[in-house]
Amino acid sequence: NAGVTQTPKFRVLKTGQSMTLLCAQDMNHEYMYWYRQDPGMGLRLIHYSVGEGTTAKGEVPDGYNVSRLKKQNFLLGLESAAPSQTSVYFCASNRGGSETQYFGPGTRLLVL
Amino acid sequence: AQSVTQPDIHITVSEGASLELRCNYSYGATPYLFWYVQSPGQGLQLLLKYFSGDTLVQGIKGFEAEFKRSQSSFNLRKPSVHWSDAAEYFCAVGPDNNDMRFGAGTRLTVKP
Repeated sequence: NAGVTQTPKFRVLKTGQSMTLLCAQDMNHEYMYWYRQDPGMGLRLIHYSVGEGTTAKGEVPDGYNVSRLKKQNFLLGLESAAPSQTSVYFCASNRGGSETQYFGPGTRLLVL
Repeated sequence: AQSVTQPDIHITVSEGASLELRCNYSYGATPYLFWYVQSPGQGLQLLLKYFSGDTLVQGIKGFEAEFKRSQSSFNLRKPSVHWSDAAEYFCAVGPDNNDMRFGAGTRLTVKP
């Protein structure tokens, strides 16, 4: 039982490049979330999904897109990376509502 | 909109000493309150949460927190700190996980 896993662990991009971050969970959770964490700030919600085939915007969605084609996977895409998107990205999942969230180990992204 | 303030960016305590981490929130209704811990290079782990009922909440690893509505606070406490408690601690508030706001975090250093 791996819990929540994230791929890759670290990535360097040049401005304008695109990439996709993968989050996978094996707990059969309905809800999945993408956060970013920046120095001196708490986590901020980018997008979330309440079930397969659904997505919704969080607090800071601009510049990101997401997809939830399979229940166990939640993809975060950057179409044209900007230095402001340099951050640590965390994925989380839970059974829903106010249930406990389980977090992945994070993906560190550097945009030059 | 809800918000969270963690007044202390960094706290140092000696091993075996007591600990209190402060959290103040702003929220228009009865809040859901959470404390998370993040060890270096790891994702967040839930320590405890408050939804309703008893205002003194027990969590994992010997932590507890007290909800004080009159002071808009949800401070985290531990009677005797262990070296393994060194980490970053985040307070969060929200109606549910889809609209949660995190504080900026308090980094805890434990002296031998």
